[in-house]
Amino acid sequence: EDQVTQSPEALRLQEGESSSLNCSYTVSGLRGLFWYRQDPGKGPEFLFTLYSAGEEKEKERLKATLTKKESFLHITAPKPEDSATYLCAVQAGSSASKIIFGSGTRLSIRP
Amino acid sequence: EAGVVQSPRYKIIEKKQPVAFWCNPISGHNTLYWYLQNLGQGPELLIRYENEEAVDDSQLPKDRFSAERLKGVDSTLKIQPAELGDSAVYLCASSLGWGDEQFFGPGTRLTVL
Repeated sequence: EDQVTQSPEALRLQEGESSSLNCSYTVSGLRGLFWYRQDPGKGPEFLFTLYSAGEEKEKERLKATLTKKESFLHITAPKPEDSATYLCAVQAGSSASKIIFGSGTRLSIRP
Repeated sequence: EAGVVQSPRYKIIEKKQPVAFWCNPISGHNTLYWYLQNLGQGPELLIRYENEEAVDDSQLPKDRFSAERLKGVDSTLKIQPAELGDSAVYLCASSLGWGDEQFFGPGTRLTVL
């Protein structure tokens, strides 16, 4: 069964304390892995797309990496405004017909 | 450039009543998605359109849910009759094509009493 699992469910960090969020997946025929940020009461906002193992992408304090079984979202020296829920989604299937979201990691950054 | 527009933002109805949600995607986006999001969970795909054609509606409960995308632009998602378990946020998203980054609307929060 295709599955996307994110960990931890929630993470509280001090401002400036770097950490990583994990997205592990078991799907057949990965076509792409997406990271989104979601603020309370809003729709998800696109961050990155990764297509193949070894690929990395960066944006400000965020860096996403991909292996054959999981993806990491690294947050370097986070600020309070980075507080949000981070969602990963996997596009998979022989005809790339599926998109499956994980449950997200709720990140809270204390000043 | 305007983002994805959804209305209403909030809707409270009694069970067994009908309800409809409207979505206007970003201009030029061929692919439109409807998702359901429960509290503390990620979005779950209900239906995907490529232009006006529904190409993936395998997760849409067809006994009570219906959707349409007229002229390949705006879309409407309907529930009739609504059940208590339908209370959730309904998100609409669009993308240039399947596999491209998705742009989400703010969602409609449905409460069924």
